[in-house]
Amino acid sequence: AQSVTQPDIHITVSEGASLELRCNYSYGATPYLFWYVQSPGQGLQLLLKYFSGDTLVQGIKGFEAEFKRSQSSFNLRKPSVHWSDAAEYFCAVGDVIKAAGNKLTFGGGTRVLVKP
Amino acid sequence: GAGVSQSPRYKVTKRGQDVALRCDPISGHVSLYWYRQALGQGPEFLTYFNYEAQQDKSGLPNDRFSAERPEGSISTLTIQRTEQRDSAMYRCASSFKGSGELFFGEGSRLTVL
Repeated sequence: AQSVTQPDIHITVSEGASLELRCNYSYGATPYLFWYVQSPGQGLQLLLKYFSGDTLVQGIKGFEAEFKRSQSSFNLRKPSVHWSDAAEYFCAVGDVIKAAGNKLTFGGGTRVLVKP
Repeated sequence: GAGVSQSPRYKVTKRGQDVALRCDPISGHVSLYWYRQALGQGPEFLTYFNYEAQQDKSGLPNDRFSAERPEGSISTLTIQRTEQRDSAMYRCASSFKGSGELFFGEGSRLTVL
């Protein structure tokens, strides 16, 4: 069975500092990996996704993530955090079913607080 | 519509009552998913549809939970005889066939007293 672990429940970072959120997954085949962000009162918004190819993927809002197969990781990074990045971040692994569904398994989330 | 729409946004009910949660997906999206998110946790898969066909309901916790999508568009998640442990945020998502990207609605927060 697939699973996703986000080891950090909370992270506090100063505005302008760099941010890295950890994600480790367990999946039997080549994973389809996603990062979503959830702002208060909002739905989940896709930041970026990895299907294949270049292991460093760029997303929206200046985020990037790197797939490392040897470490079963897909860590999210941003070089300089803005106050608006305060939110909860979820890593997910996809089980792309041949019938064209995408059943995602999510991690428990990391809540990011941004200090001025 | 412009995005996935869910209603009601908030629902408070008494234990034992039935509730129905509605999801209106993005127009043209073939696949529709239901997830449940407990406080402080990530979303957990409940069930999904391609068009009107329920493809996988392995995540439904028990037979009090059911979902339908009779015309391949709007879907309803029904919880019968609600219990306090059913309190959670229920999230709906939709996607193009094979796109791999799920678009989520804002969720329906259910509180069972």
